[in-house]
Amino acid sequence: RKEVEQDPGPFNVPEGATVAFNCTYSNSASQSFFWYRQDCRKEPKLLMSVYSSGNEDGRFTAQLNRASQYISLLIRDSKLSDSATYLCVVNILTGGGNKLTFGTGTQLKVEL
Amino acid sequence: DAGITQSPRYKITETGRQVTLMCHQTWSHSYMFWYRQDLGHGLRLIYYSAAADITDKGEVPDGYVVSRSKTENFPLTLESATRSQTSVYFCASSEIQVYTEAFFGQGTRLTVV
Repeated sequence: RKEVEQDPGPFNVPEGATVAFNCTYSNSASQSFFWYRQDCRKEPKLLMSVYSSGNEDGRFTAQLNRASQYISLLIRDSKLSDSATYLCVVNILTGGGNKLTFGTGTQLKVEL
Repeated sequence: DAGITQSPRYKITETGRQVTLMCHQTWSHSYMFWYRQDLGHGLRLIYYSAAADITDKGEVPDGYVVSRSKTENFPLTLESATRSQTSVYFCASSEIQVYTEAFFGQGTRLTVV
């Protein structure tokens, strides 16, 4: 079983729609959680960190459920510019230190 | 320039040759990471390093060697390149705190023929 699993999509949604992505992780020792965005095979960039209490940044809301070991990302009022691949990232503390593990990514296409 | 840089950006090499991909960061971040990205697999961790002279294997370390003699550099060597190592390679760095953001280089597109 992969340490971090995501539905690869693609999710094709009309502009203005609300879309949600989920991600599950297998290691209960995971310390911290993030969503990254990646455009057209460019380098990934941090979208937002994910906290247990949930956090919001404009149109984006992230939630963490430690009991069920899943993370979610909600995008409201989708824009064409939101089209990208969204990567779920889990930081696991190992004997070697912090190990950042990525999911395979979920592709989002926002259409007119 | 401040940041994290990878070189070369593009590389074509022959099967069996040794290739070294360079990664340099100017922030003095403790952690550095090497990933490869292939269609259908996402980003897979090859090696990571918590500090100079400390490295550890990730998910797909076979066929790769790393070193970290200085905090700012984390080269990745393919000892004897194979076609299955054709991929896009990303280097990243982050500070030591567990909630910190990782910053990525622009990637190296490696083709093994």
